[in-house]
Amino acid sequence: KAGVTQTPRYLIKTRGQQVTLSCSPISGHRSVSWYQQTPGQGLQFLFEYFSETQRNKGNFPGRFSGRQFSNSRSEMNVSTLELGDSALYLCASSPRNPTDTQYFGPGTRLTVL
Amino acid sequence: AQSVTQLDSHVSVSEGTPVLLRCNYSSSYSPSLFWYVQHPNKGLQLLLKYTSAATLVKGINGFEAEFKKSETSFHLTKPSAHMSDAAEYFCVVSEYGSSNTGKLIFGQGTTLQVKP
Repeated sequence: KAGVTQTPRYLIKTRGQQVTLSCSPISGHRSVSWYQQTPGQGLQFLFEYFSETQRNKGNFPGRFSGRQFSNSRSEMNVSTLELGDSALYLCASSPRNPTDTQYFGPGTRLTVL
Repeated sequence: AQSVTQLDSHVSVSEGTPVLLRCNYSSSYSPSLFWYVQHPNKGLQLLLKYTSAATLVKGINGFEAEFKKSETSFHLTKPSAHMSDAAEYFCVVSEYGSSNTGKLIFGQGTTLQVKP
């Protein structure tokens, strides 16, 4: 089976812009979780989707949003980018429950200038 | 709420010597615990997972971890370090919510340096 894929792998944006990141889970996996990784805060949970519904959300401002499509692919969007949004954004999938083993993609490195 | 504490931010060993990465957890119920590894500019790879079937869990690449409930610990070990083991290691606990919600809680990570 192909692993979790994320596109793009690298992004450079300027403050105030918005960005959309994409994640394709492992075939058959229906739960998709997103995490932000920064040197200062480590790995923090953003949100989790299952069957096109957001089941759980972390403590991030409303500028961070996401969605899931019927084929389980997921996107996350960050609007009005701030310098502090520079991070590695990781997507992970699991068959059904986010508390089961999650399989991670390579991440999207976002740099905000 | 569940939490994870990795007791060392940086561990340095010589190639061929044992590796010990320490992790303590806090959980109000019997947790699922994981160790993930992250090589530079890569995503996270699962090393091993504990789900109460056995207290000693064997993972990939010769790693293993022992769940000790009395000490709330889940330390990762390897008998002999290899240069390719140099990476960042994360101890992770699952947090269960209602109606199949939940998430993974990550420790702050331990950087393993392997010297030749």
